[in-house]
Amino acid sequence: DTGVSQDPRHKITKRGQNVTFRCDPISEHNRLYWYRQTLGQGPEFLTYFQNEAQLEKSRLLSDRFSAERPKGSFSTLEIQRTEQGDSAMYLCASSLVPGLTRMGETQYFGPGTRLLVL
Amino acid sequence: RKEVEQDPGPFNVPEGATVAFNCTYSNSASQSFFWYRQDCRKEPKLLMSVYSSGNEDGRFTAQLNRASQYISLLIRDSKLSDSATYLCVVNYGGYQKVTFGTGTKLQVIP
Repeated sequence: DTGVSQDPRHKITKRGQNVTFRCDPISEHNRLYWYRQTLGQGPEFLTYFQNEAQLEKSRLLSDRFSAERPKGSFSTLEIQRTEQGDSAMYLCASSLVPGLTRMGETQYFGPGTRLLVL
Repeated sequence: RKEVEQDPGPFNVPEGATVAFNCTYSNSASQSFFWYRQDCRKEPKLLMSVYSSGNEDGRFTAQLNRASQYISLLIRDSKLSDSATYLCVVNYGGYQKVTFGTGTKLQVIP
C-alpha cells in the first residue's frame, strides 16, 4: 500500500503525559498537513510543511504542540502535557504541488490516529 | 460567521432519489473548491474538485456560484453506498491551508 500511513492508529494516555504521532506521506509528495477532527466536525487545519519547512501554523496549535518533518519525508506531531480536550482524531494528509503554485491541490489523507486522554 | 458552512443533516433519502447539498463560504478570495467524502470512522477521500464551469462525474455534479459564494453537490440515482458524510472544502489563494466544512450526513434508505 503506497498511501499515507499513520502510527499509531489508536492511543490512550493519561492527562499530563506526552504523546507523539508519526505520519508517512505518499512517496515524493512535497506537502504534508496535520489536521484535528472531533466528533461531528470537519477536520481543522493545524499545520503544514512544504518539504522540511513548516510554513504555517494554526492558532489552534498551542505551545504544547510541535510538529517536525526533518528530512522532508515523514513527520511527527508531539503533544506535551496532554489535556482531555486534546482527545480527537489526528489526521495527516499529503499532496504533490509542482513549483510554488498557490492553488489548492488534492490532499490524500491517512487513516488517522485516534487519541483519547483520560 | 463560519468560514465554510454546511447543513449537517442528516439527509435521509430513498434509493434512486436525487439529493443536493449546498455549502456557503465567506471569503470572496477563495480560489479552489472540493467535495470530500468521509465514511464513518474513516479518513476523508476526495470526491471531486469544483470548477467555475461546473463539472460532472457519473452520478455526481458539482457547481460553483461565485456571486452567491456557494458550491453545490448533486447526487442522482442515490445508492446505498452513497451513505456517508460529504465535506465541503475551500482553499484561499493567499494561504496554503484548506478549510473544511462540518460535513453533511447522507443516509440512503432501501
